[in-house]
Amino acid sequence: DIQMTQSPSSLSASVGDRVTITCQASQDISNYLNWYQQRPGKAPKLLIYDASNLGTGVPSRFSGSGSGTDFTLTISSLQPEDIATYYCQHYDNFSPEFTFAPGTKVDFK
Amino acid sequence: QVQLQESGPGLVKPSQTLSLTCTVSGGSIGSGAYYWSWIRQRPGKGLEWIGDIYDSGTTFYNPSLKTLVTISVDTSKNQFSLKLTSVTAADTAMYYCARRDLGEGWFDPWGQGTLVIVSS
Repeated sequence: DIQMTQSPSSLSASVGDRVTITCQASQDISNYLNWYQQRPGKAPKLLIYDASNLGTGVPSRFSGSGSGTDFTLTISSLQPEDIATYYCQHYDNFSPEFTFAPGTKVDFK
Repeated sequence: QVQLQESGPGLVKPSQTLSLTCTVSGGSIGSGAYYWSWIRQRPGKGLEWIGDIYDSGTTFYNPSLKTLVTISVDTSKNQFSLKLTSVTAADTAMYYCARRDLGEGWFDPWGQGTLVIVSS
């Protein structure tokens, strides 16, 4: 089974800061990697699919990059509504298999 | 736009069967273009995919839950359902339904979720 890890597990930042979250797979997963945002008390929302494609209606301050085993989610300028937990998720359509990483909690300093 | 809404009992006794329904509005569950999924989030834990169903009834399950889970679809009601048997306290979780594009691996959109507590 492929294991997914994220770092850091939590971070504190200020409005306007550039925020970077890393996701790592235990083996090569090509670009089969998605990112979700879960605001407190809400359901997860798709942000990025296939490593670098912006979901529908997602602000352009969010971006994703990477392939193989190392991936990054970047928020170019943190906004108050971005306080949330962010999850990366790997998929394998052949099995199928869907694995979520433990998440990164983002809050304000 | 399509919306999903979970419903079902919020409290289930240990060893009994957890049953939830997801009602789809704003689109047809039988369009042939999507898988319909269940995902759960246990307290203090991450997200766990439970399984998918296609409108034909084809199902895929998480191997770790496969023997306990049944997902079914009722296209006439635009609903799909989850049954999880022999529940324990470890099955206490927020349960979400979601949609997955055919041939793709991301979930969008999600329902708001429903909390199920397993307790006597």
